[in-house]
Amino acid sequence: EAQVTQNPRYLITVTGKKLTVTCSQNMNHEYMSWYRQDPGLGLRQIYYSMNVEVTDKGDVPEGYKVSRKEKRNFPLILESPSPNQTSLYFCASSSRPGQGGSYEQYFGPGTRLTVT
Amino acid sequence: QKEVEQNSGPLSVPEGAIASLNCTYSDRGSQSFFWYRQYSGKSPELIMFIYSNGDKEDGRFTAQLNKASQYVSLLIRDSQPSDSATYLCAVPRIPILTGGGNKLTFGTGTQLKVEL
Repeated sequence: EAQVTQNPRYLITVTGKKLTVTCSQNMNHEYMSWYRQDPGLGLRQIYYSMNVEVTDKGDVPEGYKVSRKEKRNFPLILESPSPNQTSLYFCASSSRPGQGGSYEQYFGPGTRLTVT
Repeated sequence: QKEVEQNSGPLSVPEGAIASLNCTYSDRGSQSFFWYRQYSGKSPELIMFIYSNGDKEDGRFTAQLNKASQYVSLLIRDSQPSDSATYLCAVPRIPILTGGGNKLTFGTGTQLKVEL
């Protein structure tokens, strides 16, 4: 089954304790993204990647790191989480335009993070 | 920064009626738009992509783009209770053919409730 998976789905942690949220897709997509979703603010892009070793900042990159060492994986790293990073996080992937695919982004199930 | 504005709702319509959801955007140069649907507690899924001026129909869904007035609408005919969800409008921040489908600015979404 074609899908984007995220782990963990739920995480409660404390301020300053480094954490990683994993994201993996099995559709051979070039593009991958991380979003956070907050009430009243909608979905905001954190980082995106156009291919292996190619990443760029989205709208709200502060406090986050990413890496893309393999095509299928795009982990999100919070080196020193703070309470304002409490949010619902989505990973997404899409194929490159012109490869016969659509422009659709496929979203993972989400990770609900609480930082106390 | 491209801005996308949506009325948060909730928009309530009776079953079988036409639901009309609107989205305005600030960048007059924007040429393509996405409508994603998000059920409560779930991840967004693409329902419509529109590129040119005018209407695009897909089953019970019609997207209408009016570049002169800078708005894009989503009409849902014969609304069903299963259409109750939040509808997100999104605009690419870079041209769609260079990966804009992966670099989106989302509106905050309109909640639709279809009542029996």
